[in-house]
Amino acid sequence: DVKVTQSSRYLVKRTGEKVFLECVQDMDHENMFWYRQDPGLGLRLIYFSYDVKMKEKGDIPEGYSVSREKKERFSLILESASTNQTSMYLCASRPGTANTYEQYFGPGTRLTVT
Amino acid sequence: DAKTTQPPSMDCAEGRAANLPCNHSTISGNEYVYWYRQIHSQGPQYIIHGLKNNETNEMASLIITEDRKSSTLILPHATLRDTAVYYCIVRVISSGSARQLTFGSGTQLTVLP
Repeated sequence: DVKVTQSSRYLVKRTGEKVFLECVQDMDHENMFWYRQDPGLGLRLIYFSYDVKMKEKGDIPEGYSVSREKKERFSLILESASTNQTSMYLCASRPGTANTYEQYFGPGTRLTVT
Repeated sequence: DAKTTQPPSMDCAEGRAANLPCNHSTISGNEYVYWYRQIHSQGPQYIIHGLKNNETNEMASLIITEDRKSSTLILPHATLRDTAVYYCIVRVISSGSARQLTFGSGTQLTVLP
């Protein structure tokens, strides 16, 4: 089975802190994604990556950056956390060559910024 | 991408079939219908997808109307663990590119004991 793991299920940070969210997948997938999910707004794409060191902005990249130094790992960075970044963060991966949108999601990280 | 419309909520008795409808009247010929679900406090889970033929896997069946303007996800014997938000997504498949999915508000299915 494909497994996507995220470093923390719950995280509490203070305003202005630098926050790292880590995501690891074990199926050698080329594509990886970071979403945030908020009530009433559904899932919104922050950034995605289609290869090592490659990244593209999604719909709401402001206030975030990403890093993909290894194929299996995709990190989301909040340079200076703010209260409006309190959310559920979901990582996903999928094969790059397959003609499919079958994405595999991690369990999510619920981040609270106080 | 075509817009989808789903009822906001549905109930189903445990052990009965759950039939979740999705309307996608503006779907184009090269758009697939995908279904995901999200159990509370977990990440979304892929269920099934199809283009125009009915599809079945170990989790569910997908029935797509002949004109492709609507579809129904069927969970043949719903259990309490099937309580989740179910998302219907219509998407063109573009090979080789990291295309994202757009999740709407979905249908909250509650399976009742």
